[in-house]
Order: sequence, then structure tokens, then C-alpha cells
Amino acid sequence: EAQVTQNPRYLITVTGKKLTVTCSQNMNHEYMSWYRQDPGLGLRQIYYSMNVEVTDKGDVPEGYKVSRKEKRNFPLILESPSPNQTSLYFCASSPRDTHSNQPQHFGDGTRLSIL
Amino acid sequence: AQKVTQAQTEISVVEKEDVTLDCVYETRDTTYYLFWYKQPPSGELVFLIRRNSFDEQNEISGRYSWNFQKSTSSFNFTITASQVVDSAVYFCALYSGGGADGLTFGKGTHLIIQP
Repeated sequence: EAQVTQNPRYLITVTGKKLTVTCSQNMNHEYMSWYRQDPGLGLRQIYYSMNVEVTDKGDVPEGYKVSRKEKRNFPLILESPSPNQTSLYFCASSPRDTHSNQPQHFGDGTRLSIL
Repeated sequence: AQKVTQAQTEISVVEKEDVTLDCVYETRDTTYYLFWYKQPPSGELVFLIRRNSFDEQNEISGRYSWNFQKSTSSFNFTITASQVVDSAVYFCALYSGGGADGLTFGKGTHLIIQP
């Protein structure tokens, strides 16, 4: 089954304690990205990756890091989380060719609470 | 710059009524893609439709229909004979043909279907 898997689904942690949210896709997609969803703001892109070892900033990258060492994985790293990073996070993937009929596939989301 | 506007923050209707969710977009690209996603209370993002900028045909899928009008930069979504299960947050999103960036989302419309 084609899917994007995020872990953990829920996490409550404290300010300053480094955390990583993993994202893995099994569709051999080149393009992966991370979004955060906040009330009244919709979803905003944090980082994206066009392929292995190629990453770039989205609209709200401050406080986040990513890596793309393998095609299937795109972890989101919060080196020193702060309360304003409390949010619902989504990972997504799609084929690089945007002219294909495939929409972006989203994971089920990770709800982070930073105390 | 790209922008998606969903002016309706929240809509509440009684079951079996028809309801239209508005989406207005801005982009300078001639090639772009428009999407609608549904986010039920469980939180995941469910893909509903993808439309490219060269295809202005309206689409109907069961009780759902979409009206794409380039002249007014709108991509509205209508649910006919609404049901309680339609209650969700609906997002309209835009993706440019260049593929360098991710989806630009609207802020979402919270649709409440009352029994």
C-alpha cells in the first residue's frame, strides 16, 4: 500500500530538548516536504527536498532542520524546540514530475506540544 | 507570489442543503495545479481533486462538484445534499508548474453539517 508514514503521531516535550520527527514514503517519490498547520493559518511549508541530498527552505524554516540522505526518508529535526513550534506537522511526497496525475501524498500528521 | 484565499472561515448548514466553498487564487505562472483536500476531525488530509490550469472543465464526482474559472481565478467546491459525514475542514491549494516550491494552502473553511 502506497503511504507516507510519520512518527511519532503525538509528542509532548519540553523546551530545548532536541527531537526528530521521522517521515518515510514507499512510493519512490523524488519530492518530499514538511508543512505545519496552525489554527487560522492553514498549512505552511517548512522545508522541501527535490531529491537525495537536495533540500531547500519553505516559507517558515526558522528553528527547523531536515536531511535527505535516502530517497525514502525525510526527517524533521527541532534542535532546540520552543513553545511556538507547538503545531500539527505533515510530511508529504510526490513524483518530481508535476505533470503526472499524482497529487501530493500526505502522512497522517504529528501533533507536537512543546511545554 | 502565490496566494490562495478561502474567505469563508466557517460555514454551518443543515443536512441535505447544498453548500459551496469558495477558493480564489493568485499566481503569475501560466502552468499551475489546483487541489482540494478534506481534513476530517481525525486530522488526516484526504485528497479530493487535482485540476491543471489548462483544463477548465467542471467536474462532478457523486455529490461533489468543482467549478474552475480562470477568468475569475476561482476554483469553487460544491457539495450537493450535504451529509453529517461531510463535516470537516476543507483546504484549497495551489502548486505552480515549476515544481520548485510546495503547495500554497488557503486557510481552510470549517464546514459544519447539522443533523
